[in-house]
Amino acid sequence: DTAVSQTPKYLVTQMGNDKSIKCEQNLGHDTMYWYKQDSKKFLKIMFSYNNKELIINETVPNRFSPKSPDKAHLNLHINSLELGDSAVYFCASSQVPRYLHNEQFFGPGTRLTVL
Amino acid sequence: GQQVMQIPQYQHVQEGEDFTTYCNSSTTLSNIQWYKQRPGGHPVFLIQLVKSGEVKKQKRLTFQFGEAKKNSSLHITATQTTDVGTYFCAVNSGSRLTFGEGTQLTVNP
Repeated sequence: DTAVSQTPKYLVTQMGNDKSIKCEQNLGHDTMYWYKQDSKKFLKIMFSYNNKELIINETVPNRFSPKSPDKAHLNLHINSLELGDSAVYFCASSQVPRYLHNEQFFGPGTRLTVL
Repeated sequence: GQQVMQIPQYQHVQEGEDFTTYCNSSTTLSNIQWYKQRPGGHPVFLIQLVKSGEVKKQKRLTFQFGEAKKNSSLHITATQTTDVGTYFCAVNSGSRLTFGEGTQLTVNP
């Protein structure tokens, strides 16, 4: 069983389109995250939800909107896609916090290419 | 949140050589984690260090946490081609994990 799954794995789209990425975890974790990894491999947190509540909202354009229908799911919707949005987007989850231990489990990533 | 600087950004080694990546912070860290990301893959948790001066080993990998808890290192002895990937340190602050910029390791057979 896949612990953290994301769909789609690849997403190629035109500038200006709207797209969504879905994430699901079956680990029973309370917290989920979205990260963006650029071409230089830098991992930057975008959002975090704890039990469906937004707890981290980094400086991200408001074209990006996360939604958590329940604690096992965290989706990312992106409006008016721009060339600079091309990156790999990772979903992750963790059980927060069990005596400082906050190991994060990552999904396989979604490679977004905006043309 | 806390920030951490990781060096080097790239490292190319011959198979069998050793490899070390370093993470440094200007502030005292509560703990530090290490992740490995294979090419085309996703970050995978390796270990967490919590105590001052802590040293942990996983086969050929040795992880250290500085006495002042401001720096950490990951050392790989006698690299193999399976060690190829990007190694990240990450500092934990509550529910937030801030990643270093990573060290991309390539191993020439």
